[in-house]
Formats: sequence, C-alpha cells, structure tokens
Amino acid sequence: QTVVTQEPSLTVSPGGTVTLTCASSTGAVTSGNYPTWFQQKPGQAPRALIYSTSNTHSWTPARFSGSLLGGKAALTLSDVQPEDEAQYYCLLYYGGAKDYVFGTGTKVTVL
Amino acid sequence: QVQLVQSGAEVKKPGASVRVSCKTSGYTFTKIYMHWVRQAPGQGLEWMGKINPSGGSTIYAQKLQGRVTVTRDTSTSTVYMELSSLTSEDTAVYYCARDSGFDPWGQGTLVTVSS
Repeated sequence: QTVVTQEPSLTVSPGGTVTLTCASSTGAVTSGNYPTWFQQKPGQAPRALIYSTSNTHSWTPARFSGSLLGGKAALTLSDVQPEDEAQYYCLLYYGGAKDYVFGTGTKVTVL
Repeated sequence: QVQLVQSGAEVKKPGASVRVSCKTSGYTFTKIYMHWVRQAPGQGLEWMGKINPSGGSTIYAQKLQGRVTVTRDTSTSTVYMELSSLTSEDTAVYYCARDSGFDPWGQGTLVTVSS
C-alpha cells in the first residue's frame, strides 16, 4: 500500500516562510507524479493551489509556490499571512491501479 | 462559470447503497475527467476514483474496488458515484472534483451510515 507522508503540523510567524513536504513510500517524487497541493479551511471544500508540481491557478496568491526538493514535492509559503492558517494536502499520481494517493495532511498554524 | 452541484445529504443503514450525483455546467462535460474524493469526519482526504465522461471508462481506488461505481449521463452533464455495502466507516463527506488542476470541487455531500 502506497503511503504519502506530510508533516503533521507546522507553525510559522506572520511574514515568515515555511516549506511543507510530500514524500512517497515508493521512492522519490518526480514531475511524473504531477504533485498537486490543496488548502482546506474548516467547514470548506479543499481548493487546489498548485498542480503539476509548480503550476498555479489564477486565484493562487503569489506567495505560494511548488517545487521538487530532495526527492519530495514541496509547497513553500512566503510572507505568510494569518489567512494562510489551514490544512494542506498533497496529491500524487501513480498511474495504473493505484492512480492517485492523498498525503496525510499538514496543519499550518500562523502564530 | 464552471459549477459542480452535488445532491443532498443522505442517511443510510449499514449494508445499504448510496448514490451521489454531481451536476456540471459551464464547460464541455465530455472533455474533462471527473474525480470523486471523500473525507471522513476529522480525517484526511481519500481519492476514490475517476471517470472519463467521454467514453465512460473508470479507474477506482484499490481499497474500494467492487463497492464503488462511477457513471455519467452525458445528456444531463451529470456524474454519479454509487457506493454499496455501506458500513459506519463510509460515513463521510463525498466530493466530486473536476480534473484540470483538480478544480473546481462540488460543495460536498454528507453521507451518514447509521443503524
């Protein structure tokens, strides 16, 4: 069973920078996994921020960026704002029978 | 604009089946895959499966194989997710989400399985 692991929680100060990572139990994450990052606030549906590693949607604030870092997918939040406090999930594509697997999620606290 | 509108909340007994609909508008229905994702209370997201609305081909998460069926009706631009042999562990909010950057998502449908 494929497991996609994220940091359970991270705390960042307003104006600071934090990097969330997304690791695969099968090995290094590559662009072929088409990493997608979602933000979810309480009581709301998730919303995609980043797709295919580093592509942003029109609504994605410029302070959010995606990359590959040390064999993992990464989401970097720069100049963090209080409204960035949320749960973040990554999603990896594996193709074939496994197809997609969500990460375990990271709770970002802005303090 | 693109919209995904899901059917309303359901309460089912263990062993029953549930069907959730996702009516789309604002784009060419047959051109973009649709995914189903669920989230149990206080838990993370779980990918369930996807459908190609053009030909109707599907891929399901291994864990749900044999219990989940995703279909579509091209005449109404609607995708359906049916889950059978329900247990309390299937209590969750069920979402449809359009491929193409996984956006947008439906508003979610709460399915409660309780005796």
